[in-house]
Amino acid sequence: SQTIHQWPATLVQPVGSPLSLECTVEGTSNPNLYWYRQAAGRGLQLLFYSVGIGQISSEVPQNLSASRPQDRQFILSSKKLLLSDSGFYLCAWTRTSVGEQFFGPGTRLTVL
Amino acid sequence: SQQGEEDPQALSIQEGENATMNCSYKTSINNLQWYRQNSGRGLVHLILIRSNEREKHSGRLRVTLDTSKKSSSLLITASRAADTASYFCATDEGAQKLVFGQGTRLTINP
Repeated sequence: SQTIHQWPATLVQPVGSPLSLECTVEGTSNPNLYWYRQAAGRGLQLLFYSVGIGQISSEVPQNLSASRPQDRQFILSSKKLLLSDSGFYLCAWTRTSVGEQFFGPGTRLTVL
Repeated sequence: SQQGEEDPQALSIQEGENATMNCSYKTSINNLQWYRQNSGRGLVHLILIRSNEREKHSGRLRVTLDTSKKSSSLLITASRAADTASYFCATDEGAQKLVFGQGTRLTINP
């Protein structure tokens, strides 16, 4: 069976500090991978998606970046966090481009 | 861009009643999906309905799709306290990605 992991579960960081969130998928190969951000009580905003190693599509211009160094690993990074980067970050994977998405447990990021 | 929009934003009903949530979208789709999110958790897929389907059932869930009106509804019958969650619709926007609505927060009162 397939599983998706995210860590850390929670993170409190000062403004201007770097960020690295990791997402890994087990039990499948060549998944499409996604990073979303969710503000409190709101819907999901797609940040990045990837259809293969080294292939990253950015949806929203911002100070965040994503990388896919391995088939089942997706990393969200920032060199300098802003207050507005606070939120709930969700990673997801799917077998097909517009099929069912499987979500990780999320990372709650608070920037102070 | 925001494709799907749920209505109402919040819904509170008594346990045992039926809950209906609606979703409207703007462009042509291949399929529409509904997801549930418990507070502070990831989303869980509930049901997918294709553009050539009009109705689909899964347990206590019933989803309808009206492509002429660009709308869908999710009905949860005989609601339970455990159904308390946020519910999101998602539509495909071109290839390789889904667009999620803002969600309906459903509260089931015992």
